[in-house]
Amino acid sequence: KAGVTQTPRYLIKTRGQQVTLSCSPISGHRSVSWYQQTPGQGLQFLFEYFSETQRNKGNFPGRFSGRQFSNSRSEMNVSTLELGDSALYLCASSLGMGLYGYEQYFGPGTRLTVT
Amino acid sequence: AQKITQTQPGMFVQEKEAVTLDCTYDTSDPSYGLFWYKQPSSGEMIFLIYQGSYDQQNATEGRYSLNFQKARKSANLVISASQLGDSAMYFCAMREGGETSYDKVIFGPGTSLSVIP
Repeated sequence: KAGVTQTPRYLIKTRGQQVTLSCSPISGHRSVSWYQQTPGQGLQFLFEYFSETQRNKGNFPGRFSGRQFSNSRSEMNVSTLELGDSALYLCASSLGMGLYGYEQYFGPGTRLTVT
Repeated sequence: AQKITQTQPGMFVQEKEAVTLDCTYDTSDPSYGLFWYKQPSSGEMIFLIYQGSYDQQNATEGRYSLNFQKARKSANLVISASQLGDSAMYFCAMREGGETSYDKVIFGPGTSLSVIP
């Protein structure tokens, strides 16, 4: 079974631009979560989608948005990029959103550099 | 308030020795799940082990076991017979709620483990 895939793997953007990152979950998984990882802040939760609906949202400004499609694939968008948005963006999928058997499987991440 | 605490920023262990990585958590919800993940230098997060708050026995997965002490709110990861490939960052995480919980997963700051030959 294929794992979680994320595209692109690396991205360099300039301040003020916008970016869209894509995540394809493991087949059959209906929940997709996004995380931002930086050396200073660690792993920070962005949002989680289940059945095309955003179920949870972290403490990020409105410049960060996402969506989930009917095939469970998800995209996240960051508008008006700032230098501080440079980070590894991780996508994780799970069968559902409960506790039992719903561990998350992560993709390789997208390394975003904002210059 | 930080909900997941990992007090060991970095640890060293001799190859073939056992090592314990500490994790304490804070929740008032009776239903929660605890997870451990490994992140090698390549960056990909790898799920290791899960423990539910109502599970009577400590979880085990191969060389990994979780020392769950509910009253102390502690969920330490024990790695037996360390291997060089175990060198990585290790994250403890928690999700509160029951089977249909929509609560987010919260991660601790991580512990960097280095296995010495």
